[in-house]
Amino acid sequence: DTAVSQTPKYLVTQMGNDKSIKCEQNLGHDTMYWYKQDSKKFLKIMFSYNNKELIINETVPNRFSPKSPDKAHLNLHINSLELGDSAVYFCASSPQTRRTPNYGYTFGSGTRLTVV
Amino acid sequence: AQSVAQPEDQVNVAEGNPLTVKCTYSVSGNPYLFWYVQYPNRGLQFLLKYITGDNLVKGSYGFEAEFNKSQTSFHLKKPSALVSDSALYFCAVRDINNAGNMLTFGGGTRLMVKP
Repeated sequence: DTAVSQTPKYLVTQMGNDKSIKCEQNLGHDTMYWYKQDSKKFLKIMFSYNNKELIINETVPNRFSPKSPDKAHLNLHINSLELGDSAVYFCASSPQTRRTPNYGYTFGSGTRLTVV
Repeated sequence: AQSVAQPEDQVNVAEGNPLTVKCTYSVSGNPYLFWYVQYPNRGLQFLLKYITGDNLVKGSYGFEAEFNKSQTSFHLKKPSALVSDSALYFCAVRDINNAGNMLTFGGGTRLMVKP
């Protein structure tokens, strides 16, 4: 069974559109994350959710919004897509780290977003 | 603030030779250190971690890493490289005092192992 799954794997869309990327984890983890990997492969944290509460919100455009219907899901909504949004987006999860700080993350396989 | 530096964009090594991928970090407290590997079109996979104890930690696929507190380094090593080790490697750090539990990643190092 896939631990962290993202859909879709590939997404090609036009500028100005609104799109969503879904993420689900079956590990029972308390915290989920979204990372953006740019063309130079640099990984930048976008959001972190812990028990439905946003605990990190880096300086990303407000066109990006995370939605967490429950502890196992953290979806990423993007409004008014721009060319610069083209990247690979990774979802990840980890246990509640205040109690277990020695755990790393489990990553999904990524969603390659191309805005044309 | 915490940060990670991987000074080499790419490391080239011949199959069978030892390899080293460098990583240095900066944290205000004690670090938790991680190495991840990313194969083409795949997500990041956990390789190994340093939490406490022995400075030399062993991980998946024959990789190991040495924690050096005085040099604030956590270099990834393997005694004998395989062509299949060719991938993108990321070092990451978490400060034990980081309230947000954020893992900060380095910029990645591409390892190329040639036959």
